[in-house]
Amino acid sequence: KNEVEQSPQNLTAQEGEFITINCSYSVGISALHWLQQHPGGGIVSLFMLSSGKKKHGRLIATINIQEKHSSLHITASHPRDSAVYICAAANKAAGNKLTFGGGTRVLVKP
Amino acid sequence: GEEVAQTPKHLVRGEGQKAKLYCAPIKGHSYVFWYQQVLKNEFKFLISFQNENVFDETGMPKERFSAKCLPNSPCSLEIQATKLEDSAVYFCASSRNPPGAAEKLFFGSGTQLSVL
Repeated sequence: KNEVEQSPQNLTAQEGEFITINCSYSVGISALHWLQQHPGGGIVSLFMLSSGKKKHGRLIATINIQEKHSSLHITASHPRDSAVYICAAANKAAGNKLTFGGGTRVLVKP
Repeated sequence: GEEVAQTPKHLVRGEGQKAKLYCAPIKGHSYVFWYQQVLKNEFKFLISFQNENVFDETGMPKERFSAKCLPNSPCSLEIQATKLEDSAVYFCASSRNPPGAAEKLFFGSGTQLSVL
């Protein structure tokens, strides 16, 4: 079992739909990162969180430390949100190195 | 600079040749990280630096891979005698504070290494 698991692996949504991506981890973490990898390959850091909830525009990230689970939500999705979304856990036992989930490929259709 | 600059964008090498990748972190960022992305979604940590000092090298293959961050120069990742399995995208990231601190990482656009 991987230390960081994401679901779903692939997701197709219609423009305007609400999207949720889930991330579960089995290691002790100091923080959890949500990253967006564009079709061209570039990576943008969306959120870094260690508790609670963060919001930026149409994106919301939540984390439940007790349940070792985080979610990324996209409200009112748009075709430009099409990308791979990756969660990465800063693994405390490994010097806070990032352990990456396998990514969720999101396609938003117009 | 205001972004992590990686060069080259693409690098093609014949098996057995040397490959050298460069990364200039954001000005003021003390920490540099190298990651290898194979098969699109499998990221592997390679090495991190605090300024010019190795911070964590537990992900570095012992043979053939080396890295440096020297003052006033871009950081570099060098692969001696490349193998087919080294084909991947190599990402560099930088941060102001150490891993585990409450801040985001800033990623470069990656170097696509193709070993033929």
